[in-house]
Amino acid sequence: DQQVKQNSPSLSVQEGRISILNCDYTNSMFDYFLWYKKYPAEGPTFLISISSIKDKNEDGRFTVFLNKSAKHLSLHIVPSQPGDSAVYFCAASVEFQAGTALIFGKGTTLSVSS
Amino acid sequence: DVKVTQSSRYLVKRTGEKVFLECVQDMDHENMFWYRQDPGLGLRLIYFSYDVKMKEKGDIPEGYSVSREKKERFSLILESASTNQTSMYLCASGVTYQPQHFGDGTRLSIL
Repeated sequence: DQQVKQNSPSLSVQEGRISILNCDYTNSMFDYFLWYKKYPAEGPTFLISISSIKDKNEDGRFTVFLNKSAKHLSLHIVPSQPGDSAVYFCAASVEFQAGTALIFGKGTTLSVSS
Repeated sequence: DVKVTQSSRYLVKRTGEKVFLECVQDMDHENMFWYRQDPGLGLRLIYFSYDVKMKEKGDIPEGYSVSREKKERFSLILESASTNQTSMYLCASGVTYQPQHFGDGTRLSIL
């Protein structure tokens, strides 16, 4: 069963408006979350992260909100720009037997039109 | 700036071949990872390594093995390639509770 879920495969937004990308997780023990952006034919690039001791983290146009009771996080992009069009992946840091690794959601494709 | 380099951007192999995908990082990171990305399935963890000669299975290790003889290099091996292993393969490196850094990926086609 998927531990990190991005239920919206795609999102279309007009330039200048807010983009909100959502992510749900199943395990209340997860304590570190990240968002990555991916363009075609490139590797994912890190955008922003949040630890479970916080409920909000902001970096320029990007803000991540964490609701631990709902096991939900969201990425807000304000204002959205055409260059933000990409696939966005939510990830959680997960403990394996001998180390930690990231588990990713399936991604949301964001299209920002001018 | 962190650099994760994957040896090939595109690779075409035949069913049954043994395939090696190589990854090198230049930041002395302890942890290295292999993922595959497929449409509608996101990034799925195949294997990772937390130290030289140490490895751990991820979510989809079947049909793959890995090798980490030096800290900077992590190899993914397809023992006997099959068509269902056609995919984009992504290598990453990092330290615990810090963002991972990814290479640009290898698009592997198995014919």
